[in-house]
Amino acid sequence: SYELTQPPSVSVSPGQTASITCSGDKLGDRYVCWYQLKPGQSPLLVIYQDTKRPSGIPERFSGSNSGNTATLTISGTQAMDEADYYCQAWDSSTAVFGGGTRLTVL
Amino acid sequence: QVQLQESGPGLVKPSETLSLTCTVSGGSVSSGNYYWGWIRQTPGKGLEWIGYVYNSGGTNYNPSLKSRVTISADTSKNQISLKLRSVTAADTAVYYCARKYGSGDERFDPWGQGTLVTVSS
Repeated sequence: SYELTQPPSVSVSPGQTASITCSGDKLGDRYVCWYQLKPGQSPLLVIYQDTKRPSGIPERFSGSNSGNTATLTISGTQAMDEADYYCQAWDSSTAVFGGGTRLTVL
Repeated sequence: QVQLQESGPGLVKPSETLSLTCTVSGGSVSSGNYYWGWIRQTPGKGLEWIGYVYNSGGTNYNPSLKSRVTISADTSKNQISLKLRSVTAADTAVYYCARKYGSGDERFDPWGQGTLVTVSS
């Protein structure tokens, strides 16, 4: 079965740039979505189709996808961005999620 | 805007059937443009896609759960339901419903707040 691999944790200082990677075989050939999960809140779509931001998502969130790696980049990271982030792609009509990355802003 | 709200028992006994309902407001589950799905987050294991229903009847399930899962839509109540049979402690999770866009887009948006289901005797 298809697998997506994310680092368990990433730390960033406020105002700096955070990069979260998601790796999978020929991932660049598939569309990738990114979701933000915070305790007690509904999961939030922050990036879809590799690079697109849904309405209401701040411009500091951006995405890329090439080769075997997709990357979620948060520029000028704010304390409110501290959360778990999951990448997701499709394989043979099956949705696959990465293991998630905890972003700590300190 | 579309909102989703999960409901159902928070405690299920091992070997029994987990049954959850997702009520959709601001949109129609019979819309041909969208699919309606379930995703769960197990403690310490991240997100796992369960499946979805479309066109008020068609379904697609995660192969790892397919033998135990049924997802259906009730258009009169604008709800979708999840039934997971023969549950074990490994099925303890927060269960989310979410709208899925159609082919070529494939995103899950929006999601419900989720409901915690514990499997225990």
